[in-house]
Order: sequence, then C-alpha cells, then structure tokens
Amino acid sequence: QVKLVESGGGVVQPGRSLRLSCAASGFTFRNFAVHWVRQAPGKGLEWVAVIWKDGSYEYHVDSVKGRFTLSRDNSANTVSLQMNDLRVEDTAMYYCARGNIAFDFDPWGQGTLVTVSP
Amino acid sequence: DIQMTQSPSSLSASVGDRVTITCRASQGIGNNLAWYRHKSGKAPERLIYAASTLDVGVPSRFSGSGSGIEFTLTISSLQPEDFATFYCLQCNTYPYTFGPGTRLELK
Repeated sequence: QVKLVESGGGVVQPGRSLRLSCAASGFTFRNFAVHWVRQAPGKGLEWVAVIWKDGSYEYHVDSVKGRFTLSRDNSANTVSLQMNDLRVEDTAMYYCARGNIAFDFDPWGQGTLVTVSP
Repeated sequence: DIQMTQSPSSLSASVGDRVTITCRASQGIGNNLAWYRHKSGKAPERLIYAASTLDVGVPSRFSGSGSGIEFTLTISSLQPEDFATFYCLQCNTYPYTFGPGTRLELK
C-alpha cells in the first residue's frame, strides 16, 4: 500500500526556520518525484515545490524561492522541505504527494500543520 | 504562470443530481490536467488524470473531458461523499497551478 506521512509541523515565529519531512512506503521511492502542496486556512490548494526522483532538480513556486529548499534520501525513502525565513503567509497545512507518470501527483499524505505567528 | 479558473465557485445540489464543473487554463496545456476531490480534514484524492482517465478505484459516475484550455468534470449522480471541494490542477508547466476550487454543498 502506497503511503506518505508528513511530520515536522508546528508553531514558529516569523523569520525562523522549520524542516518538514515526508516518509514514503509501499513503492520504489527512488523512481518517483515528490511534490509539496499547501493549503492556507480557508483558502484553496497551492502547489509549492517538486524534487526529481534522483534529487537532481527541484522547482518552487515564486513565493518560496530562495527560502524553501528540498532534499531527499532515497536510501531512507524520505524527502525534506527546509523552510527558512518563514512568513505569516506561509501558515498552512503542508502535504507531500508522489509524482506520477501523467505529470500529476497522487496519493497524498495526511498533511502537517505549520503556523507562523509572532 | 498559467492561471486556472473554475466555474462555478460553489454549487448547491441534491443527492442524485448531475453536476458539471468547468476548468479553464490561461494558455493551452494539452491534456495535462487532473481533478481532485478534497473532503474537509482529509487528504485530497485524485479522481481523473490526463484530463479524461479515471483513476483506479474511482467510481464511474465521475468523468472528465477536454483538452487545450477548457476541461470539464462531470458527476453523473451525486452521492453523499461528493459534498466536498473539487480542484483542477494543470501539470503541464511549472509552477503547477490549481484552480480556485468548486465547493459542492447539499441543497
């Protein structure tokens, strides 16, 4: 059974850092890209970033470029999202999801909540 | 960036109703579009990928069509579990972008 589990969320002050993790199981992790998506309270879904299956490439939405970076450990089946210089507007539920051959992503994890508050 | 719009933004309907949601892209995206259903408090679920391919295990009451800039998701007979928010996703060009969502509410 394909499963992704996010962790690392919490409450943090603006300007601080947080590192989220996505642990995967039930599939050959090194063969798939991993995406991150977030949903701010009361808002819609926003695609955040992707890391290639071998970690050689990543792409981010403009609002997080220069602040968020991705890394992955294919031996441990994990992806990390390092979030620096956090802003109030980064407050959201963060989901990781497995990339698919049709360029989209599924399934998703259950999410981890990040709250950035003074 | 490619902008995605959805209509309607919300819809009141009854169990058994037929519903169609439209998604439009600001530029052509081929068939690189997916539809997701998001129930409150749960992870989003993919329903359709490549614009018209039903995901494994998704009921046949869901169907998708379109290519280029205009796409539709049709639910032929609403079920109680369909009262949720539906999103389209363009996965043609980074940054990927979601539509703003269509919230289905029970009439």
